[in-house]
Amino acid sequence: NFMLTQPHSVSESPGKTVTISCTRSSGSIASNYVQWYQQRPGSAPTTVIYEDNQRPSGVPDRFSGSIDSSSNSASLTISGLKTEDEADYYCQSYDSSNDVVFGGGTKLTVL
Amino acid sequence: QLQLQESGPGLVKPSETLSLTCTVSGGSISSSSYYWGWIRQPPGKGLEWIGSIYYSGSTYYNPSLKSRVTISVDTSKNQFSLKLSSVTAADTAVYYCASWELLTGWFDPWGQGTLVTVSS
Repeated sequence: NFMLTQPHSVSESPGKTVTISCTRSSGSIASNYVQWYQQRPGSAPTTVIYEDNQRPSGVPDRFSGSIDSSSNSASLTISGLKTEDEADYYCQSYDSSNDVVFGGGTKLTVL
Repeated sequence: QLQLQESGPGLVKPSETLSLTCTVSGGSISSSSYYWGWIRQPPGKGLEWIGSIYYSGSTYYNPSLKSRVTISVDTSKNQFSLKLSSVTAADTAVYYCASWELLTGWFDPWGQGTLVTVSS
């Protein structure tokens, strides 16, 4: 099986841009789609990015996703940070056996 | 609009079996488009996939939990269920059910989650 490694925490000021990385330990990041979920305290996760770079309806275009085969990683970028973006963010993917893996989560602080 | 709701006991004794049910509304659990999954989150920790099931009964399980997990589906009730045997305090978590797209690996939507505490 593989792992997805995320930074434990990131912080940035309102109005700035932040990028959260998600590195796949084995197998190609491009082989299987990556999703990103936002989780606020006491709430269930909700999708901010699916299929590497697609936004569900209702998610602002300040959220974008990408993958980089050279670093075997995916990234979630949030521009024009708002205090409401403060939350935990999880990346998620799967492998050819349909085993699902979540990253450890990144706590985003907007200060 | 698809909605999912978990139900089951909030307290389970060590060594016993945890049983939860997820009720699907706003759509059919027999839809060919979706699998149905269970994910858990221990207090203060990250998300862990438990397993997923198709309406036909085809299942995928997390290898680390496979020996203790059974996921089943009841199409007549539009429900699917989780059983986790021989529980310990380490199984204390919020348990979520979610719709899962097999081809993209995407979980959406999720239920609100239910806290299960393992304690005597």
